[in-house]
Amino acid sequence: DIQMTQSPSSLSASVGDRVTITCRASQGISNSLAWYQQKPGKAPKLLLYAASRLESGVPSRFSGSGSGTDYTLTISSLQPEDFATYYCQQYYSTPPYTFGQGTKLEIK
Amino acid sequence: EVQLVESGGGLVQPGGSLRLSCAASGFTFSSYWMHWVRQAPGKGLVWVSRINSDGSSTSYADSVKGRFTISRDNAKNTLYLQMNSLRAEDTAVYYCARDRLELRDWGQGTLVTVSS
Repeated sequence: DIQMTQSPSSLSASVGDRVTITCRASQGISNSLAWYQQKPGKAPKLLLYAASRLESGVPSRFSGSGSGTDYTLTISSLQPEDFATYYCQQYYSTPPYTFGQGTKLEIK
Repeated sequence: EVQLVESGGGLVQPGGSLRLSCAASGFTFSSYWMHWVRQAPGKGLVWVSRINSDGSSTSYADSVKGRFTISRDNAKNTLYLQMNSLRAEDTAVYYCARDRLELRDWGQGTLVTVSS
């Protein structure tokens, strides 16, 4: 099974900051990666897929990049509504559809 | 608008059974793969199972293999998860989600608590 490791596990930032979250796969996943945002008590929401494709309706301040085993989610200018937990998920080799452990983004 | 509405969660004793349902609307249900994903209290997301569009192919996480069964009724636009031999570690919010690879749409989840 492919393991997904996110870093950091938690992050404090301020409104307007640029933030980067990293996801590393235990083997190459050929951009078969999605990013999700989850707010407390809510279902996850798809932000990006195929590593860098923005889901319809998601603000352009969210972007994704990477290749091989290493991928990043960047929020260019944090907004108050962006404080949430973010998960990566690989779908290159399934089953299982492995998620990272999550990165909690908190207000500084 | 895509809607996924889970139901069937609740409190069950260890060793018991429960069947979750996910009612789908707003899209052609029979054309999409569907998944179950769970989240234990305060923990991360864990994929549980998936089924292809016509129900002929299924797969499971090792932690539930042999105990859980995913199925679907395309005539009723409904996805199911039959959970048997439940354990305390199965306690979680269970989400259904749509699509083959990335999980594009999610339900609001239903809480399953396994406790005596």
